[in-house]
Amino acid sequence: DVKVTQSSRYLVKRTGEKVFLECVQDMDHENMFWYRQDPGLGLRLIYFSYDVKMKEKGDIPEGYSVSREKKERFSLILESASTNQTSMYLCASSLPGGEKLFFGSGTQLSVL
Amino acid sequence: SQQGEEDPQALSIQEGENATMNCSYKTSINNLQWYRQNSGRGLVHLILIRSNEREKHSGRLRVTLDTSKKSSSLLITASRAADTASYFCARRETSGSRLTFGEGTQLTVNP
Repeated sequence: DVKVTQSSRYLVKRTGEKVFLECVQDMDHENMFWYRQDPGLGLRLIYFSYDVKMKEKGDIPEGYSVSREKKERFSLILESASTNQTSMYLCASSLPGGEKLFFGSGTQLSVL
Repeated sequence: SQQGEEDPQALSIQEGENATMNCSYKTSINNLQWYRQNSGRGLVHLILIRSNEREKHSGRLRVTLDTSKKSSSLLITASRAADTASYFCARRETSGSRLTFGEGTQLTVNP
């Protein structure tokens, strides 16, 4: 089975801190995605990547950046965390042309 | 709403009853997928239906797709307490490769 691992289940940070959310998948998937999930808004795509060192903006990239130095790892970076970035962050991966996504368990980030 | 709606937002039923959730969208799609999310966890893929298919089954799940009405439904038959979760539809649109999620339906199955 595909395993997508997010480094933290819960994270509490202060406003202005630089925050790193890590995601690792073990099935050699080319495609990786970062979503955030908020009540009443569903899942919104932040960034995605189709290959190493490649990234594309999703629907809400403002305030975020990403890094994909290795195929299995996709990092989401909050350059200067703000309270409106308090959310559940979900990482996912898929095969190229793959139709279904495999999700990690999520990181609940609270920015105080 | 992200170019689509799920209906109802919340559904509460008794064990053994059937649960029906609906998903509507506005653009052309290649396929539509349903995912399940247990509280505080990631999403798990349940079933995928392509634009040229009308109905698909997987165990107690039945999905229908009506592209003329731009809508889909997920039916869970003989529900169990363990089916309690949020259910999301996700559209893969023909105009791009992204998967766009709805806002989800919270299903509660009471024992």
